[in-house]
Amino acid sequence: DVKVTQSSRYLVKRTGEKVFLECVQDMDHENMFWYRQDPGLGLRLIYFSYDVKMKEKGDIPEGYSVSREKKERFSLILESASTNQTSMYLCASSFFGGTGAYEQYFGPGTRLTVT
Amino acid sequence: AQTVTQSQPEMSVQEAETVTLSCTYDTSESNYYLFWYKQPPSRQMILVIRQEAYKQQNATENRFSVNFQKAAKSFSLKISDSQLGDTAMYFCAFMNPHTGTASKLTFGTGTRLQVTL
Repeated sequence: DVKVTQSSRYLVKRTGEKVFLECVQDMDHENMFWYRQDPGLGLRLIYFSYDVKMKEKGDIPEGYSVSREKKERFSLILESASTNQTSMYLCASSFFGGTGAYEQYFGPGTRLTVT
Repeated sequence: AQTVTQSQPEMSVQEAETVTLSCTYDTSESNYYLFWYKQPPSRQMILVIRQEAYKQQNATENRFSVNFQKAAKSFSLKISDSQLGDTAMYFCAFMNPHTGTASKLTFGTGTRLQVTL
Protein backbone atom coordinates (compact mmCIF):
# COMPACT_ATOMS: atom_id res chain seq x y z
CA ASP A 1 0.00 0.00 0.00
CA VAL A 2 1.05 3.54 -0.70
CA LYS A 3 1.88 5.39 2.44
CA VAL A 4 2.06 9.15 2.75
CA THR A 5 3.05 10.43 6.15
CA GLN A 6 3.12 13.91 7.60
CA SER A 7 5.39 14.93 10.43
CA SER A 8 2.68 16.20 12.80
CA ARG A 9 -1.06 15.75 13.21
CA TYR A 10 -1.43 18.90 15.30
CA LEU A 11 0.80 21.93 15.49
CA VAL A 12 0.48 25.21 17.37
CA LYS A 13 2.76 28.10 16.41
CA ARG A 14 2.99 31.78 17.18
CA THR A 15 2.57 34.59 14.70
CA GLY A 16 5.85 35.35 12.96
CA GLU A 17 7.41 31.94 13.54
CA LYS A 18 8.93 29.97 10.68
CA VAL A 19 7.03 26.71 10.29
CA PHE A 20 8.07 23.53 8.52
CA LEU A 21 5.57 20.86 7.51
CA GLU A 22 7.12 17.64 6.30
CA CYS A 23 5.67 15.01 4.02
CA VAL A 24 7.17 11.67 3.06
CA GLN A 25 5.90 9.09 0.57
CA ASP A 26 7.22 5.58 0.14
CA MET A 27 6.08 4.71 -3.38
CA ASP A 28 8.68 6.48 -5.52
CA HIS A 29 6.06 8.90 -6.83
CA GLU A 30 7.24 11.71 -9.08
CA ASN A 31 4.52 14.16 -8.13
CA MET A 32 3.88 15.65 -4.71
CA PHE A 33 1.36 18.26 -3.65
CA TRP A 34 0.48 20.54 -0.75
CA TYR A 35 -3.12 21.59 -0.18
CA ARG A 36 -4.87 23.53 2.49
CA GLN A 37 -8.38 22.55 3.50
CA ASP A 38 -10.81 25.08 4.94
CA PRO A 39 -14.53 24.63 5.68
CA GLY A 40 -16.67 25.71 2.77
CA LEU A 41 -13.66 26.13 0.49
CA GLY A 42 -12.66 22.53 -0.13
CA LEU A 43 -9.03 21.79 -0.92
CA ARG A 44 -6.90 24.44 -2.53
CA LEU A 45 -3.52 23.72 -4.09
CA ILE A 46 -0.62 25.65 -2.59
CA TYR A 47 2.40 24.17 -4.42
CA PHE A 48 3.30 21.03 -6.25
CA SER A 49 6.45 19.32 -7.41
CA TYR A 50 6.93 16.96 -10.36
CA ASP A 51 10.54 16.05 -9.71
CA VAL A 52 13.37 16.62 -7.27
CA LYS A 53 14.16 20.32 -6.97
CA MET A 54 11.29 21.15 -9.34
CA LYS A 55 8.29 23.06 -8.07
CA GLU A 56 5.40 25.05 -9.36
CA LYS A 57 2.95 27.41 -7.73
CA GLY A 58 -0.59 26.29 -7.22
CA ASP A 59 -3.62 28.47 -6.73
CA ILE A 60 -2.70 30.05 -3.37
CA PRO A 61 1.12 30.17 -3.02
CA GLU A 62 1.35 33.51 -1.23
CA GLY A 63 3.02 33.23 2.15
CA TYR A 64 4.35 29.73 1.46
CA SER A 65 7.42 28.13 -0.05
CA VAL A 66 8.42 24.51 -0.62
CA SER A 67 11.48 22.35 -0.81
CA ARG A 68 12.07 19.00 -2.45
CA GLU A 69 15.66 17.85 -2.05
CA LYS A 70 14.83 14.13 -2.20
CA LYS A 71 12.20 12.37 -4.25
CA GLU A 72 10.33 10.98 -1.26
CA ARG A 73 10.18 14.19 0.78
CA PHE A 74 8.30 17.42 0.16
CA SER A 75 8.35 20.22 2.70
CA LEU A 76 6.01 23.17 3.06
CA ILE A 77 7.46 26.26 4.68
CA LEU A 78 5.62 29.15 6.21
CA GLU A 79 8.29 31.85 6.32
CA SER A 80 6.44 33.99 8.85
CA ALA A 81 3.28 32.36 10.10
CA SER A 82 0.13 34.44 10.31
CA THR A 83 -3.24 33.75 11.87
CA ASN A 84 -4.88 33.46 8.46
CA GLN A 85 -2.70 30.43 7.82
CA THR A 86 -4.50 28.50 10.53
CA SER A 87 -5.85 25.54 8.58
CA MET A 88 -5.63 21.84 7.82
CA TYR A 89 -2.72 21.06 5.52
CA LEU A 90 -2.80 17.95 3.36
CA CYS A 91 0.05 16.42 1.46
CA ALA A 92 -0.50 14.11 -1.50
CA SER A 93 1.55 12.20 -4.03
CA SER A 94 0.99 10.53 -7.38
CA PHE A 95 3.02 8.91 -10.07
CA PHE A 96 2.91 9.72 -13.72
CA GLY A 97 2.01 7.03 -16.19
CA GLY A 98 0.51 3.56 -16.14
CA THR A 99 -2.97 2.40 -15.18
CA GLY A 100 -2.86 4.15 -11.85
CA ALA A 101 -1.95 7.46 -13.31
CA TYR A 102 -3.48 10.57 -11.87
CA GLU A 103 -4.77 9.11 -8.61
CA GLN A 104 -3.46 11.11 -5.68
CA TYR A 105 -2.69 9.46 -2.36
CA PHE A 106 -3.12 11.63 0.70
CA GLY A 107 -1.43 11.93 4.04
CA PRO A 108 -3.40 12.21 7.31
CA GLY A 109 -3.13 16.00 7.43
CA THR A 110 -1.59 18.51 9.81
CA ARG A 111 -3.93 20.80 11.68
CA LEU A 112 -1.96 24.01 12.16
CA THR A 113 -3.08 26.70 14.56
CA VAL A 114 -1.29 30.05 14.52
CA THR A 115 -1.89 32.19 17.60
CA ALA B 1 -9.73 27.55 -15.44
CA GLN B 2 -11.78 24.59 -14.44
CA THR B 3 -14.31 24.84 -11.64
CA VAL B 4 -16.07 22.14 -9.66
CA THR B 5 -19.35 22.79 -7.84
CA GLN B 6 -20.91 20.71 -5.10
CA SER B 7 -24.20 22.33 -4.24
CA GLN B 8 -25.09 20.16 -1.23
CA PRO B 9 -22.98 21.12 1.79
CA GLU B 10 -24.63 18.48 4.00
CA MET B 11 -26.75 15.41 3.46
CA SER B 12 -28.19 12.72 5.64
CA VAL B 13 -29.31 9.21 4.80
CA GLN B 14 -30.56 6.28 6.79
CA GLU B 15 -28.62 3.07 6.93
CA ALA B 16 -29.39 0.72 4.01
CA GLU B 17 -30.91 3.52 1.95
CA THR B 18 -29.54 5.03 -1.25
CA VAL B 19 -28.18 8.55 -1.54
CA THR B 20 -26.92 10.62 -4.46
CA LEU B 21 -24.34 13.37 -4.15
CA SER B 22 -24.24 15.99 -6.90
CA CYS B 23 -21.29 17.49 -8.68
CA THR B 24 -21.06 19.74 -11.71
CA TYR B 25 -17.95 21.07 -13.38
CA ASP B 26 -16.96 23.50 -16.05
CA THR B 27 -14.32 22.84 -18.68
CA SER B 28 -13.66 23.31 -22.37
CA GLU B 29 -11.58 20.12 -22.54
CA SER B 30 -12.92 16.97 -24.16
CA ASN B 31 -10.64 14.52 -22.37
CA TYR B 32 -10.28 14.64 -18.60
CA TYR B 33 -10.70 12.64 -15.42
CA LEU B 34 -13.22 12.96 -12.63
CA PHE B 35 -12.90 11.58 -9.12
CA TRP B 36 -14.83 11.18 -5.92
CA TYR B 37 -12.72 11.21 -2.77
CA LYS B 38 -13.92 10.30 0.72
CA GLN B 39 -12.56 11.84 3.92
CA PRO B 40 -13.87 10.03 7.03
CA PRO B 41 -13.78 11.95 10.32
CA SER B 42 -10.16 12.29 11.48
CA ARG B 43 -8.94 9.88 8.82
CA GLN B 44 -7.08 10.07 5.55
CA MET B 45 -8.71 11.00 2.28
CA ILE B 46 -9.11 8.02 -0.02
CA LEU B 47 -10.21 7.58 -3.59
CA VAL B 48 -13.73 6.19 -3.99
CA ILE B 49 -14.16 6.11 -7.73
CA ARG B 50 -12.69 7.46 -10.95
CA GLN B 51 -14.23 8.23 -14.34
CA GLU B 52 -12.40 8.89 -17.60
CA ALA B 53 -14.31 11.29 -19.80
CA TYR B 54 -13.74 9.38 -23.00
CA LYS B 55 -15.42 6.29 -21.52
CA GLN B 56 -19.18 6.26 -22.02
CA GLN B 57 -19.80 3.60 -19.39
CA ASN B 58 -20.39 4.84 -15.87
CA ALA B 59 -17.81 3.68 -13.34
CA THR B 60 -18.87 1.41 -10.47
CA GLU B 61 -17.06 0.18 -7.37
CA ASN B 62 -19.18 -2.17 -5.27
CA ARG B 63 -21.89 -0.02 -3.66
CA PHE B 64 -20.58 3.16 -5.28
CA SER B 65 -21.51 4.21 -8.79
CA VAL B 66 -21.51 7.40 -10.79
CA ASN B 67 -23.89 9.01 -13.22
CA PHE B 68 -21.62 10.77 -15.69
CA GLN B 69 -23.41 13.13 -18.03
CA LYS B 70 -20.69 14.64 -20.23
CA ALA B 71 -22.89 17.05 -22.16
CA ALA B 72 -24.42 18.37 -18.96
CA LYS B 73 -21.03 18.38 -17.21
CA SER B 74 -22.51 16.48 -14.33
CA PHE B 75 -20.86 13.76 -12.24
CA SER B 76 -23.02 12.49 -9.39
CA LEU B 77 -22.11 9.76 -6.90
CA LYS B 78 -24.68 7.17 -5.86
CA ILE B 79 -24.13 5.20 -2.68
CA SER B 80 -26.36 2.15 -2.38
CA ASP B 81 -27.12 0.26 0.83
CA SER B 82 -25.55 3.05 2.90
CA GLN B 83 -23.50 1.96 5.89
CA LEU B 84 -22.42 3.83 9.02
CA GLY B 85 -18.87 3.70 7.73
CA ASP B 86 -19.90 5.82 4.76
CA THR B 87 -20.20 8.82 7.07
CA ALA B 88 -17.60 11.22 5.71
CA MET B 89 -16.89 14.34 3.73
CA TYR B 90 -17.05 13.61 0.01
CA PHE B 91 -15.13 15.67 -2.50
CA CYS B 92 -15.63 15.74 -6.23
CA ALA B 93 -12.45 16.50 -8.20
CA PHE B 94 -11.49 17.24 -11.79
CA MET B 95 -8.19 16.60 -13.53
CA ASN B 96 -7.06 17.88 -16.90
CA PRO B 97 -4.22 15.62 -18.12
CA HIS B 98 -2.95 18.19 -20.58
CA THR B 99 -1.75 20.81 -18.13
CA GLY B 100 1.74 19.43 -17.68
CA THR B 101 3.61 16.62 -15.99
CA ALA B 102 1.83 16.76 -12.66
CA SER B 103 -1.72 15.49 -12.28
CA LYS B 104 -3.23 18.52 -10.56
CA LEU B 105 -6.73 18.20 -9.14
CA THR B 106 -9.40 20.85 -8.82
CA PHE B 107 -11.70 20.07 -5.91
CA GLY B 108 -15.25 21.01 -5.09
CA THR B 109 -16.16 22.37 -1.67
CA GLY B 110 -17.34 19.00 -0.39
CA THR B 111 -20.54 17.37 0.85
CA ARG B 112 -20.71 16.15 4.42
CA LEU B 113 -22.69 12.90 4.49
CA GLN B 114 -24.13 11.56 7.71
CA VAL B 115 -25.46 8.00 7.76
CA THR B 116 -27.95 7.42 10.56
CA LEU B 117 -29.52 4.35 12.13
